[in-house]
This record gives sequence, structure tokens and C-alpha cells, in this order.
Amino acid sequence: GENVEQHPSTLSVQEGDSAVIKCTYSDSASNYFPWYKQELGKRPQLIIDIRSNVGEKKDQRIAVTLNKTAKHFSLHITETQPEDSAVYFCAASIGVDYKLSFGAGTTVTVRA
Amino acid sequence: KAGVTQTPRYLIKTRGQQVTLSCSPISGHRSVSWYQQTPGQGLQFLFEYFSETQRNKGNFPGRFSGRQFSNSRSEMNVSTLELGDSALYLCASSLGAGTNTEAFFGQGTRLTVV
Repeated sequence: GENVEQHPSTLSVQEGDSAVIKCTYSDSASNYFPWYKQELGKRPQLIIDIRSNVGEKKDQRIAVTLNKTAKHFSLHITETQPEDSAVYFCAASIGVDYKLSFGAGTTVTVRA
Repeated sequence: KAGVTQTPRYLIKTRGQQVTLSCSPISGHRSVSWYQQTPGQGLQFLFEYFSETQRNKGNFPGRFSGRQFSNSRSEMNVSTLELGDSALYLCASSLGAGTNTEAFFGQGTRLTVV
């Protein structure tokens, strides 16, 4: 089955700096890559997603890039703010599979 | 529009007992997936239901089962509970037809097995 690896497991950044989280996947058939943010004690919420026919997608301070050849995708958060502190999960899915394979998560701490 | 609702929010059970968790998806969503979240294993896929049929299943033992009703509400059952079943159980709903669309998560049910 699909295996998703996520790095780093923890990330501490100064407010205003950028944060980058990287994920790799194993199944070349995967074509849907969502990113979820989970604040302490809350449910995971989708922050951005990308499909395999797109190489990059941006939404305000958040961007995701996808390299299908290398089978990796990354989340970029610019101008980080304290409210960006949370656990971020990447995931991969195949077509109409409706099964998300998640990375282990990255705990992001934004220092004021 | 109401979000995904899971009940109960918290459960404490004894080893050997069984438990049933409930998930009501967003209105109009026909796909419900279940995930187990633990600090050590992250988010692990249990199974997914669409139109009352299990479409996909993760690598969990047969003690974990589920079903979906005609109104798309889903239940998950765990029998013969073990200490290692203590976790946050999350369900997610999505439209379920065609290619993957956003999955919306519920608040989860925190199960503690003692």
C-alpha cells in the first residue's frame, strides 16, 4: 500500500520566517495530495490540496509544490504567525480510492 | 451547514468490552471514512463506506468493524477491547463520487481502555 514519509517531525521558526515541510510517497498512482492542520485538541482541517496535474498551488501565505517524478511534495508557509503553530499532516490518495495515507505529522512552533 | 458530528466525545471502557462509535456526515456527503489517531502511529485508515458498502479497508484486525446506514450515518464497532485500542477515533465525510474531494473531519471520539 501507499507509504507517506514526512519530515521534519518538529519545526521551530521565528515569527515572520518561512516554514517548509516535506513529504514523499511510494505509490506512483497517487494523484491527490491534501495537507491538514490540527490544532491542539481540535479536528484536522484541510488547508490546501493539490492534484497530480498541477505542479504548484498557492493560497495567500501557504503554497504546495509537487514533483511527480521524484514522488515528493512540500508545504511552504511564509511570514509565519503564532496562529500557525499546530501539527501539520500531509496525505496521499489514489484517484477514487477515498483512502488517505497520512504522514506522521510535523509539529510547528512559531516563536514570537 | 452542520459539520461532521461524532458521538460520544469521550468513552472509558474496560478490556474485553466492546464499543460502538457514531458518525453523522455533512448533509449530502455519502462517503464516511474512519481513522485511528495515536501519538505513536499518527493517523491510520480503518475503513471507508459509500452508499452502505465498504469500499476500502485498512490493516486492522477483524475486531474493528463498521457499517453505514441509508442516511449515510456510520457506526464503528470495536469488540474485545485491548489497552492498545486507546486512541482518538476520527471520522471524515466527503462527497464520495468521482475523484477525491475534500474530507471533512469530525471532532473525534476519545476512547480510553483500562
